[in-house]
Amino acid sequence: GDSVTQMEGPVTLSEEAFLTINCTYTATGYPSLFWYVQYPGEGLQLLLKATKADDKGSNKGFEATYRKETTSFHLEKGSVQVSDSAVYFCALSGSDKLIFGTGTRLQVFP
Amino acid sequence: DAGVTQSPTHLIKTRGQQVTLRCSPISGHKSVSWYQQVLGQGPQFIFQYYEKEERGRGNFPDRFSARQFPNYSSELNVNALLLGDSALYLCASSFLDRDNSPLHFGNGTRLTVT
Repeated sequence: GDSVTQMEGPVTLSEEAFLTINCTYTATGYPSLFWYVQYPGEGLQLLLKATKADDKGSNKGFEATYRKETTSFHLEKGSVQVSDSAVYFCALSGSDKLIFGTGTRLQVFP
Repeated sequence: DAGVTQSPTHLIKTRGQQVTLRCSPISGHKSVSWYQQVLGQGPQFIFQYYEKEERGRGNFPDRFSARQFPNYSSELNVNALLLGDSALYLCASSFLDRDNSPLHFGNGTRLTVT
């Protein structure tokens, strides 16, 4: 069945460092791909999405490109801030539902 | 505008009891989905409702049931609670039931079963 694999965390970075969180997927068909972020004690917030191959989603300095040839949707940010500390989930759209990865915790220190 | 609201925020139950969780979608959203998030894991799909009809069901036992009301709010019921049902239960709403219609999540109900 469809699935999402994310790199394990935690990812620990200093402020202003470059961020990459890897995400690969397995799917039949052509799903939409998403990144969600979860801050402590809160639900999930949509960070960005891409609906077809080669689309680039971007928001708040974060970017991810839908790569069909490598079945990947890696999340990147050029300069992280302490306020970016959270858990990040990669997800794909299956029939009637989202399928999530296990999440990657990001910790950014001043 | 109000986001997705869930109640209660926290709940403690004992094994064998029954629980009802409630969700109010964003105004104008007709689709509601429920997800279970066990600590340290990604959310797992439980149900989707659109226009008061069940559109999808995840791999959960029949102890889990849900419904959607005419005002598009929803309830999730879990009977005969097990310790393993302890989790954060997330409700999400969207305008459409299509797979690229973004989901908007509430802050969840934290259920602890003792």
